[in-house]
Amino acid sequence: SQQGEEDPQALSIQEGENATMNCSYKTSINNLQWYRQNSGRGLVHLILIRSNEREKHSGRLRVTLDTSKKSSSLLITASRAADTASYFCALPNNAGNMLTFGGGTRLMVKP
Amino acid sequence: EPEVTQTPSHQVTQMGQEVILRCVPISNHLYFYWYRQILGQKVEFLVSFYNNEISEKSEIFDDQFSVERPDGSNFTLKIRSTKLEDSAMYFCASQGQGGGTEAFFGQGTRLTVV
Repeated sequence: SQQGEEDPQALSIQEGENATMNCSYKTSINNLQWYRQNSGRGLVHLILIRSNEREKHSGRLRVTLDTSKKSSSLLITASRAADTASYFCALPNNAGNMLTFGGGTRLMVKP
Repeated sequence: EPEVTQTPSHQVTQMGQEVILRCVPISNHLYFYWYRQILGQKVEFLVSFYNNEISEKSEIFDDQFSVERPDGSNFTLKIRSTKLEDSAMYFCASQGQGGGTEAFFGQGTRLTVV
């Protein structure tokens, strides 16, 4: 099955700074998804980027996808303390009936 | 906004007991999933369910596990004889369409096997 790996594993920044997280994967994909998880809570879908897309925006979030390098990045601009969470990339299998999650990046935004 | 709801939020059970975790997916969704997350580890896929049958399952989803959609609204995960290593957060998810769309996750059930 497909698996993404995020880096860094942990990131600590000051409020107002930008945070960049990366996800690398090994085989071809139809799409790549980013999710957020607050401590001990459920996963919240952030953005889905399809293999024919290079960049997507949603509010303060920007996701890029480079299929030649098999990597994606999630940028959070002007971070806030409330952005503190774990962020995961997730890859569907070819049938689209399961997601494989990476280990996540734990982001801490200090006020 | 529609959401996936899971009950209970926390369940403690004795080893060897059966547990049923319950989920109410978003009402017009067609694809349903269970995932689990052992404390400090990755989110792991267990099973997907579509058109009243399992469409995919992982190695974790052995004979001790079963899923059911008994009444068209609930989606349940049963663990027949719990083991200590089944202790984890269990997340239900649903999708309106297949893999090209976002999955909506519930808040999870924390299962503790003692």
